Amino acid sequence: TQLLEQSPQFLSIQEGENLTVYCNSSSVFSSLQWYRQEPGEGPVLLVTVVTGGEVKKLKRLTFQFGDARKDSSLHITAAQPGDTGLYLCAGGPWGQGAQKLVFGQGTRLTINP
Amino acid sequence: SQTIHQWPATLVQPVGSPLSLECTVEGTSNPNLYWYRQAAGRGLQLLFYSVGIGQISSEVPQNLSASRPQDRQFILSSKKLLLSDSGFYLCAWSEGLGYTFGSGTRLTVV
Repeated sequence: TQLLEQSPQFLSIQEGENLTVYCNSSSVFSSLQWYRQEPGEGPVLLVTVVTGGEVKKLKRLTFQFGDARKDSSLHITAAQPGDTGLYLCAGGPWGQGAQKLVFGQGTRLTINP
Repeated sequence: SQTIHQWPATLVQPVGSPLSLECTVEGTSNPNLYWYRQAAGRGLQLLFYSVGIGQISSEVPQNLSASRPQDRQFILSSKKLLLSDSGFYLCAWSEGLGYTFGSGTRLTVV
């Protein structure tokens, strides 16, 4: 069974600080996706990485896929209260066909003004 | 553009009552469709997925069933709800570029 472990599970920091969230597995994934979810809503896709060692930037967010495609990290620079939410990583196949994703348990991030 | 609709948003049902949650997708054809359940503030567990009309794959043995009567319609059902069926149910579709989720249904079985 493929599992994804996220750390930390909870993180509360002050506005303006930097942070990193980790997503680790003993399994290899073809793709790794990051989602952000707000209370009472469905998760929203932030990024998909498919190549080992790949780095993608989305404004203040930097996503990295490990060389062995078993782990990923999300780094946020100068965090803002609007970054507050539940961050989920998910791993699975890539391309056409059913994408049966395995989700981590999530990192609940709180940015205090 | 593609949109996904899920309803109802919240539902309170007594133990032993039936359940029907509906999900529809617009702006795409032959999507891969999924039902997930999420425990409070935690990760998602895949319940069912479908790659076409009438094609349902179940991931976890449980008290629920799914059906896909039309290309862009996915239904989650139960004949008799259990307390353990309470949770946040999410419908999603994909075309190989990641999931697009519906807004979810909060189900409370009392």
